[in-house]
Formats: sequence, structure tokens, C-alpha cells
Amino acid sequence: AQSVAQPEDQVNVAEGNPLTVKCTYSVSGNPYLFWYVQYPNRGLQFLLKYITGDNLVKGSYGFEAEFNKSQTSFHLKKPSALVSDSALYFCAVRGYNQGGKLIFGQGTELSVKP
Amino acid sequence: SQTIHQWPATLVQPVGSPLSLECTVEGTSNPNLYWYRQAAGRGLQLLFYSVGIGQISSEVPQNLSASRPQDRQFILSSKKLLLSDSGFYLCANKGAGNGANVLTFGAGSRLTVL
Repeated sequence: AQSVAQPEDQVNVAEGNPLTVKCTYSVSGNPYLFWYVQYPNRGLQFLLKYITGDNLVKGSYGFEAEFNKSQTSFHLKKPSALVSDSALYFCAVRGYNQGGKLIFGQGTELSVKP
Repeated sequence: SQTIHQWPATLVQPVGSPLSLECTVEGTSNPNLYWYRQAAGRGLQLLFYSVGIGQISSEVPQNLSASRPQDRQFILSSKKLLLSDSGFYLCANKGAGNGANVLTFGAGSRLTVL
């Protein structure tokens, strides 16, 4: 069965410091991996995806994620956090030929303090 | 570019009352549409998906139903709401072309059942 784990409910970072939001996954075959961000009372916004190719994926707003097949991880990173990055972040996975049937993690609340 | 409209944005309903949430898509044709529910501000669960008019697949047994009366319209319904139906309902469309693997979400409908 497919699954996604985000081990941290909350991550606190000082503005200007690097941030990491962790994600591990389990899926049969090659994974399709995604990160989304959600601001309060809003829908989810797509940040980046890994389908194939380079393990380091760059996305919107300066975020990037590294696909690590041996550790089945897809951690989200940003070199320098902004207060405006504070939001709820979701990792999602789907298997091949699963269309839009994503399995989401429980979300990680990122709080960036000035 | 595509836009997903959801209404109502907020709804408060008594237990046992009916429900109708509407999702419409602009800027694309033959969309693959999805209803997700987010409970308690956290993880998302896929409820229904539709690949065309009149074609509905249910992912989990529940008190809700979905319909696709028109190509760009996806409706979530219930005949009698339960307290457990409260949540944030998100409609999504799977992209095509370069965005074929990405879900685009609407702004959501927040349902509170009292």
C-alpha cells in the first residue's frame, strides 16, 4: 500500500536560516512525489514535483527538494527562510498510472519567526 | 490557464439536512476532477474522482455522493448530513501537457455540521 509520512507536526525556524521539512514515502514501483503548501482557509498550491531525472528538484518561491531512493525520502528545503513561508506543507505520492489519486501526508506546520 | 471555482465557500448545516457543494472548472476541457476532504486542518483524503460526464469512482464508503452532470462541473452531495461530514472540501483537476502530473486545487468549501 502507498503511504506518506511527515514525522514532524511543526517546524520552527528563524528568518534567514535554512529550513527542512521531512517526508518519507512507500509506494510500489517508481514514485511520483509532490510538495504542496496551504495557507489558512485556502486550497493547496503546488510547489514542486519529482517524476524522473535529477534527484534535486527546484520549485516555486525558492524551495527545492531532494529525492533519495535508498532512504525513500523527499525532504523539502530552502536555504533562507522568510516569515511569509509560514504555512502548512504537504508531501504527497502516487504510483505509476494513478492519475490524480494522491496519497497525502498529515502535513507539517512551518513557523518562521523574525 | 485553468481556474477552479468552488461554492459555497462556507456552509453551516444541521445534522440530517441535505448538502450540495459545487465545483466548476474554466480554461480546460475534458478535465479529470477530484473531491478531497481535509479534516481538522490536516491530512487530505480522496473521496471521489471523475474522468468524464456521468463517470464517478468512489474511493471510500461514506455518507456522500458525487455527480458529473457536465464536462466542467463536479458536485458533491448528501441526502442527510452527519456530524462527521464536517471538514474542508477541496475540488481538484489533474493537468494536461507539461502539467499532466500536477493537481490544481480550488479554494475549498468549509462545511460545519451542527
